[in-house]
Parts: sequence; structure tokens; C-alpha cells
Amino acid sequence: QVQLQESGPGLVKPSQTLSLSCTVSGASLSSGPHYWNWIRHRPGKGLEWLGYISSDGRTRYNPSLRSRLFMSVDTSDNEFSLKLTSVTAADTALYYCARSDYTNYVYFDLWGPGTQVTVSS
Amino acid sequence: VVTQSPDTLSLSPGEGTTLSCTASEPVSSGYSAWYHQKPGQAPRVLIYGASTRAAGIPDRFSGEGSQTDFTLTISRVEPEDSGVYYCQQFGLSSFTFGQGTKLEIK
Repeated sequence: QVQLQESGPGLVKPSQTLSLSCTVSGASLSSGPHYWNWIRHRPGKGLEWLGYISSDGRTRYNPSLRSRLFMSVDTSDNEFSLKLTSVTAADTALYYCARSDYTNYVYFDLWGPGTQVTVSS
Repeated sequence: VVTQSPDTLSLSPGEGTTLSCTASEPVSSGYSAWYHQKPGQAPRVLIYGASTRAAGIPDRFSGEGSQTDFTLTISRVEPEDSGVYYCQQFGLSSFTFGQGTKLEIK
């Protein structure tokens, strides 16, 4: 079955760039009308959608993070990635990648297990 | 903005409850969903399209609503229902989650 797996460093220093990847297995990232999303869960907070990218590279970012966020997709490696610049302690969170589609229903039907990222010197 | 109520609730097994979700702008029912998250786990979709149960979700979970007001009803809670419930809306090409409702099973 289709699975998502996040990867990246668990510790990032303040002011540096957080880089994460999400590998899609069990199906081609290019198949189906899907958006590939990043979502985070900060301590004591609710879920926060960061943005999505389509297989052809179209992006949409959360306006609150747009100036620091960049997403890319690599269809040959079947993965998509996130870069968040100028991180602070407020970016410490459990980061999830998730799939959504854009047909009649728009929701997250598949999630990765999440990867913990701590911002600290 | 998406607002859920209540923030927390505590129920005994067998009791029923309704969780509310209010969007500041009308959204298409097809773009509304509910998720359940247990500690240390990724969220799992319960309801999508406002009222369609996801695969494997028991029929004691039901959803309804339209425009700005949506609800999730659990007819008879069980111990495994503890956790946080989130509603999600999609509008203007962006996703928004509610702040969550924490359910404790006594």
C-alpha cells in the first residue's frame, strides 16, 4: 500500500534552515490528482498546515509562513521536500507529510508517522 | 479561522457527544473533514465531505453540516476514542484546522 515517510535532521540551530523530505512508496507521486502537504504539530498547540505542492511543482503556502517556506518535488526519486528558513524555537514541532486530493473531496487521506524537529543551539 | 467547541470534555464509556466546528467563511461541504489523533500518532481521518465515514470507521461516528457549521457526533464513546479531534476546512486554496477538542474517557 502507499506509505509516506519523513526524514531529516532532528536538531536545527536557531537562524538556520530546516530541511525535510518525504518519500512516497507503493505508488508514483505523479499518479492521481493529489497534493503533497506538510503539516506540523507544535507542543501545546493544534495542527498547523504549512503548505502543499503538486507533482508538477505548483505550490500553495500558509500565508503566515510564506516568506520562509519553500517546497520542491522530485518525481524521479518519488519524494517531496520542505525548507523553512530562519528557524526559531517556535518552529520546534512534530512535522508530518500528508497526501490530499483535489477532486470532489479535499482532505488528508494518508499521513507519514511524523518526524520530530527541535530548534536549539 | 476555524473554531471548535468544546475545548475539552470528559465522558464515560457508552455516553454520546457532539463536537462543533465553525468556519468564519462558508466552505464547500466536500472540503470539510474530521480527524482523531492519539498521543504519539499521526491524525487519522474519520469523516470527509462533511458526512462520509472513512474506510474502517465505525458507524457510531457521524458527521453533518454545511456552509459554516459542522458537527461530529459520537453516539457511544469507547475507551479507544480518547484523544484530540480536529476539524479541517479547505477554502481559497488553503487548509485550516480547528484548535482541537480533547476527549477524555473516564
